[in-house]
Amino acid sequence: DTAVSQTPKYLVTQMGNDKSIKCEQNLGHDTMYWYKQDSKKFLKIMFSYNNKELIINETVPNRFSPKSPDKAHLNLHINSLELGDSAVYFCASSLRTSGGGGEQFFGPGTRLTVL
Amino acid sequence: GDSVTQMEGPVTLSEEAFLTINCTYTATGYPSLFWYVQYPGEGLQLLLKATKADDKGSNKGFEATYRKETTSFHLEKGSVQVSDSAVYFCALITMEYGNKLVFGAGTILRVKS
Repeated sequence: DTAVSQTPKYLVTQMGNDKSIKCEQNLGHDTMYWYKQDSKKFLKIMFSYNNKELIINETVPNRFSPKSPDKAHLNLHINSLELGDSAVYFCASSLRTSGGGGEQFFGPGTRLTVL
Repeated sequence: GDSVTQMEGPVTLSEEAFLTINCTYTATGYPSLFWYVQYPGEGLQLLLKATKADDKGSNKGFEATYRKETTSFHLEKGSVQVSDSAVYFCALITMEYGNKLVFGAGTILRVKS
């Protein structure tokens, strides 16, 4: 019954490693997002895909690469992890056709800790 | 660019107290406005929304009115409970780049019994 799911929930890794976070939604939405929440709880959008097409790409290091194999999945791959990448990463989805009033549904988050 | 400013927390209240969390925004055009809530250890949930001026969003006893003249969307609740303790985020959506949510910094609410 989970609407937006993310795996893993926790990720602890060493600096310099490469890691991936996976996101899946079963709501039939056509748009998916990645947000980053820092240690002060501040949330900022990173990427957005609509029907597998990248539509938002904020100022994010190119070590971060999103991949959307289909409308229901949006994965985030991070190369050469740095200490500053430690944060909680949230996936979200919505129906773009519902316009600005469309609710974004969020996943439970992935807490990434880089040592 | 578009931005949202929230009152700084934490806000600490006793049970049954009145709650106001201020939120103002800067945006081009006519954004939709949202309040999201994040309970400890969980993701964000939509609390309420308003899509045009003078709209009032309400849910679970919380209310907020879209005030275009003051560019505000303040969150209110008449009587808070301990279970309302969470982080509250005011946000707006701009259509400029496909439903990009812009969040305020969040306000921590702590309710004591």
